[in-house]
Amino acid sequence: AQSVTQLGSHVSVSEGALVLLRCNYSSSVPPYLFWYVQYPNQGLQLLLKYTSAATLVKGINGFEAEFKKSETSFHLTKPSAHMSDAAEYFCAVTRPFGNEKLTFGTGTRLTIIP
Amino acid sequence: NAGVTQTPKFQVLKTGQSMTLQCAQDMNHNSMYWYRQDPGMGLRLIYYSASEGTTDKGEVPNGYNVSRLNKREFSLRLESAAPSQTSVYFCASSEWTRGRNNEQFFGPGTRLTVL
Repeated sequence: AQSVTQLGSHVSVSEGALVLLRCNYSSSVPPYLFWYVQYPNQGLQLLLKYTSAATLVKGINGFEAEFKKSETSFHLTKPSAHMSDAAEYFCAVTRPFGNEKLTFGTGTRLTIIP
Repeated sequence: NAGVTQTPKFQVLKTGQSMTLQCAQDMNHNSMYWYRQDPGMGLRLIYYSASEGTTDKGEVPNGYNVSRLNKREFSLRLESAAPSQTSVYFCASSEWTRGRNNEQFFGPGTRLTVL
């Protein structure tokens, strides 16, 4: 079975500062990994995905994530936070076979301090 | 394309009442999913349908039933609502082909309160 752990249910950063949201995964096979964002009162929107190609993945809104097999991590970063980045972020994992389900982490709420 | 649509957006029920949450997608996806989202618990899978005519239990199926009406529509039914089912419900869909990832597309959610 796969799982993801998101360290820190709440993260606050100042506008213009680095954003770092942590995700560690557990999987018996090389996984596919995803980051989703949820703005208030909305559904989830895909930010970026890792599907065994490049280990550094670039997504929308200036976010990127790096797959590190040795650390079983897939942390999400953005060099400079913007007020519009305030949202909840979810990491998810799946196996790359067939029609597999996603397993989500518990989420990290990002607050941007003006 | 509307993507994934859900109705209703909000609902208040009394304990013991029944209701059906509707979901439709216009992306011709094979797979559809129902999740519930509760504070501090992320998204938990209730039921899913890998293809038209099939449904399977997810992590938290108790108290729910589903129907894959056709390729587009996947409904979630609460036969006898309980306060523990107060949650935000999300429907999602995805397309799987060999060698491709399972990116899921989400609807806007239904906020359900059971009194």
